[in-house]
Amino acid sequence: KAGVTQTPRYLIKTRGQQVTLSCSPISGHRSVSWYQQTPGQGLQFLFEYFSETQRNKGNFPGRFSGRQFSNSRSEMNVSTLELGDSALYLCASRAVWGEQYFGPGTRLTVT
Amino acid sequence: TQLLEQSPQFLSIQEGENLTVYCNSSSVFSSLQWYRQEPGEGPVLLVTVVTGGEVKKLKRLTFQFGDARKDSSLHITAAQTGDTGLYLCAASQGGSEKLVFGKGMKLTVNP
Repeated sequence: KAGVTQTPRYLIKTRGQQVTLSCSPISGHRSVSWYQQTPGQGLQFLFEYFSETQRNKGNFPGRFSGRQFSNSRSEMNVSTLELGDSALYLCASRAVWGEQYFGPGTRLTVT
Repeated sequence: TQLLEQSPQFLSIQEGENLTVYCNSSSVFSSLQWYRQEPGEGPVLLVTVVTGGEVKKLKRLTFQFGDARKDSSLHITAAQTGDTGLYLCAASQGGSEKLVFGKGMKLTVNP
């Protein structure tokens, strides 16, 4: 079974721009969660989607948004990028219940 | 305030030494998980503990969940260079799918 894939793996953007990150979950998994990882704050939960509906949301500003498609693939979007948005963005998928499997992440650098 | 406090935050040891990393909280959790993350990769689940007082062993790794389900420890016996990585504890509260992570313990095992 193929693992969770995230694209792109690396991204450099300028302040004020927007960015879209993509996540393809493991086949058959319907839940996709997104996390932001920084050296200062560690791993922080952004949101979770299940069957195209946002099921949980973390404490991030409205500039961070996401969506899930009917094939369970998910995208997250960050608008009006700030320097502090530089981070590793991780996606994790799971079946209805059980273990979360993480992708390798997208390293976003905002200059 | 971090919901899950991990200690130590950094540890550099020689191959063959033993170590323990702690994960503490003032909150009660329904389950607690330990992950290991290598550079450039997403976290990989090592174990999930759900019962207070539970002890689980995975080869040279021993995991313990506190009786009150507020804390946990990970003990590594005879560390190897391949154990190098970031060790993260994570927990979910109640029936939520949202995982809260500690900031992690960065372990370096020197040959």
